[in-house]
Order: sequence, then C-alpha cells, then structure tokens
Amino acid sequence: EDQVTQSPEALRLQEGESSSLNCSYTVSGLRGLFWYRQDPGKGPEFLFTLYSAGEEKEKERLKATLTKKESFLHITAPKPEDSATYLCAVRVNNNDMRFGAGTRLTVKP
Amino acid sequence: DGGITQSPKYLFRKEGQNVTLSCEQNLNHDAMYWYRQDPGQGLRLIYYSQIVNDFQKGDIAEGYSVSREKKESFPLTVTSAQKNPTAFYLCASRGQQETQYFGPGTRLLVL
Repeated sequence: EDQVTQSPEALRLQEGESSSLNCSYTVSGLRGLFWYRQDPGKGPEFLFTLYSAGEEKEKERLKATLTKKESFLHITAPKPEDSATYLCAVRVNNNDMRFGAGTRLTVKP
Repeated sequence: DGGITQSPKYLFRKEGQNVTLSCEQNLNHDAMYWYRQDPGQGLRLIYYSQIVNDFQKGDIAEGYSVSREKKESFPLTVTSAQKNPTAFYLCASRGQQETQYFGPGTRLLVL
C-alpha cells in the first residue's frame, strides 16, 4: 500500500536555528514528490516538485532534496514567518496523490 | 488574477440537511479535485474530475456527490448520508507538471 510518513509531527525552533523535516514514502511508482506550506485555516501553498533521486530545489531559506526512499525539507536560519505546517505528497502510477499528515513548524523569535 | 476560489469560508449543516460547497477556477485547468482534511491526518481524496462531464470517486466518496458541468466549476455536495461531515474541505486543480494548486478551503461544522 502506498504510504507517506512525515516526521517529526511538530518542531519548535529558535529563530536562526536550522533544521530538517523528513518525508519518507513507500509507493509502487513515484511520479513526483511535492512540498506544500499550509498556514492555519488556509489552503496549502505549493513550494516544490522533485522527480528523481539526487534532485534539489531551493527557495529562499528552504531547500528540498530527494532520495529513493525519502525527501528532506531543510530550513536554514528560519524566521518566525516560516512558522506553518509543511505537507509532503507523492504522485503514484495511477495519478493518485498521497499526502502525509504534515509537520507543524513553530519558529520563536 | 488567476486562482481558485471556494465559498463559503464557513458552512453550518443541520442534521439531515444536504449542503453544497462551491469551487471555481480561472486557471483553465482540466483536472479538479476535492479533499477532506482532518486534524492529524493527511488530505484524503473525495472525488476528482479529469474533464468536463466526467468524475471519479476517490478514497472516501461515500456520503458525497459532485458535478462537473463547466470546466471552471466543480461543486461538492455533502449529503445527509455523511455521518461525520465536520472537516476542512479543500478544492484543487492540476496544472503543469502535475502540480495541484489549492483553494482557500471551506470549514464545515455541524449544528
């Protein structure tokens, strides 16, 4: 069965304290891994798509990487405005999208 | 300004009542989706539509119905058969490189 697991469930950082969020997946045929940011009470906002192992994408303080079994979202020197829930999703062979439960990130000033 | 709109932002349902959530997009996307989000769980697919006048059940379609009469619109009806409808409902459309873009969501509460 296709599964996506995100860890940790919640992460509290001090401003400037870099860290990483993990997304591990077991799918029959990966056709893309997606990262989204979701603020409370709002819809997810698209961040990155990764397609093959070794691929990396960057946007401001965020960098996403992909291996054959997992993806990491690295946050460098985070600011309070980076506080949000970060969702990972994978597209599988039959065009289904499977979402993880998310990591809730809090960055304290 | 292209995007996806959902209305209303909050919706209250009485027992035995059917309610309809609106989703409109002006991105010219063919495929549209409805998801349900519950605390501590990943988004779960309710229905999706790849093209006008066609739609498919997702993982949790029971108690829901949809229509796709226009490319821009994909309304979701939560019927009285859905016994646990309280959730945050998200509509999405699929653009280039299979990326899904989401609307702002509708929170459904039961009175």
